[in-house]
Amino acid sequence: ETGVTQTPRHLVMGMTNKKSLKCEQHLGHNAMYWYKQSAKKPLELMFVYSLEERVENNSVPSRFSPECPNSSHLFLHLHTLQPEDSALYLCASSQEFGTRDPLHFGNGTRLTVT
Amino acid sequence: AQSVTQPDIHITVSEGASLELRCNYSYGATPYLFWYVQSPGQGLQLLLKYFSGDTLVQGIKGFEAEFKRSQSSFNLRKPSVHWSDAAEYFCAVGAPNAGNMLTFGGGTRLMVKP
Repeated sequence: ETGVTQTPRHLVMGMTNKKSLKCEQHLGHNAMYWYKQSAKKPLELMFVYSLEERVENNSVPSRFSPECPNSSHLFLHLHTLQPEDSALYLCASSQEFGTRDPLHFGNGTRLTVT
Repeated sequence: AQSVTQPDIHITVSEGASLELRCNYSYGATPYLFWYVQSPGQGLQLLLKYFSGDTLVQGIKGFEAEFKRSQSSFNLRKPSVHWSDAAEYFCAVGAPNAGNMLTFGGGTRLMVKP
């Protein structure tokens, strides 16, 4: 398998649930990203990891908790979400962080919070 | 801070017609510029990028874009649109010292008439 793989593709969760989104990249990249894509809003960068260290956190609510156990895997742990958190969550990777290496995106997880 | 504006939210063209999607950016120096395409249910795929040098860049799928510093623009063009080009197109800008910390425009949804 190649590229960036995200699971699950679709997730429906209640406001009191705890769930996790998973991202795996098979490109040998050292940087990984979480983006949020909401209807009628530009993509929002949520978190960036470089060599498993978090390097960017764009004022994301604490109900979103990222984890990067190694350079190939990235998780987004979710708890007590709000309906406005419903969106497409995209994972991306790049060879290095802070360079002009392009981002490679996964197909996203469509999250619906009920 | 950098910003990107895509003035056209929706564009409809006939198959075989030419296409131009507009992108204007705001940044103090010459940024890194990208165009991505997103098909329904998919992640973003890189079409082309500009870093420096020749202001006309060629990308995949027959797309090209021209960087115009005087107009702060990076418009995407294709001479003859195919039905499979129907998708959403995103322009993005990155700072040279953090090229893959991208700021995305709001996107332009392209529809192709038979």
